[in-house]
Amino acid sequence: DTGVSQDPRHKITKRGQNVTFRCDPISEHNRLYWYRQTLGQGPEFLTYFQNEAQLEKSRLLSDRFSAERPKGSFSTLEIQRTEQGDSAMYLCASSPTRGQGAAYTFGSGTRLTVV
Amino acid sequence: AQTVTQSQPEMSVQEAETVTLSCTYDTSESDYYLFWYKQPPSRQMILVIRQEAYKQQNATENRFSVNFQKAAKSFSLKISDSQLGDAAMYFCAYYSSNTGKLIFGQGTTLQVKP
Repeated sequence: DTGVSQDPRHKITKRGQNVTFRCDPISEHNRLYWYRQTLGQGPEFLTYFQNEAQLEKSRLLSDRFSAERPKGSFSTLEIQRTEQGDSAMYLCASSPTRGQGAAYTFGSGTRLTVV
Repeated sequence: AQTVTQSQPEMSVQEAETVTLSCTYDTSESDYYLFWYKQPPSRQMILVIRQEAYKQQNATENRFSVNFQKAAKSFSLKISDSQLGDAAMYFCAYYSSNTGKLIFGQGTTLQVKP
């Protein structure tokens, strides 16, 4: 297992464009999380999945953001009509079932720059 | 709601010396875990050490150890024999067994001087 993979590593887009990021978790992990991290700050929770079910979305996740995890495998995070404030690192993590206090395994992140 | 506070934005240590990074948290839950993660510049988040709240014994991992004070809701990280490769941003994080979510502090940037 190569860990959590995120694609692309970097994305530069013009304001108003749509972008989509992909995350491939560790295969046996049924929980998948998305976080957003701005420069010099700690990651902020966006949303998470238990298998294919999206269990919670943060208030940070406006209507322009949507996440999916079809078939409980990889996940995508789409941002529509991007704004300069969306510029950040988007981190994906996976873990085994909750309740075990299992540590997350993080991907390398996708750095989004909106110009 | 749970919160995690790291009051030291930046710390520095001389190579081979010892440094302690502070973290406090607030919660009303009894079942939780605490973590320290390391994030080198432009690199992914790496788990440093983990502490179960129900364990009184402080966790240790080689040169890394914690001082877990449950009543005071304090969870500091001690790095002994600091190495240049320890330079990174360190995040304290709280894991809720109830929600399954990880909540991070603001981070502490550690500089290691040769």
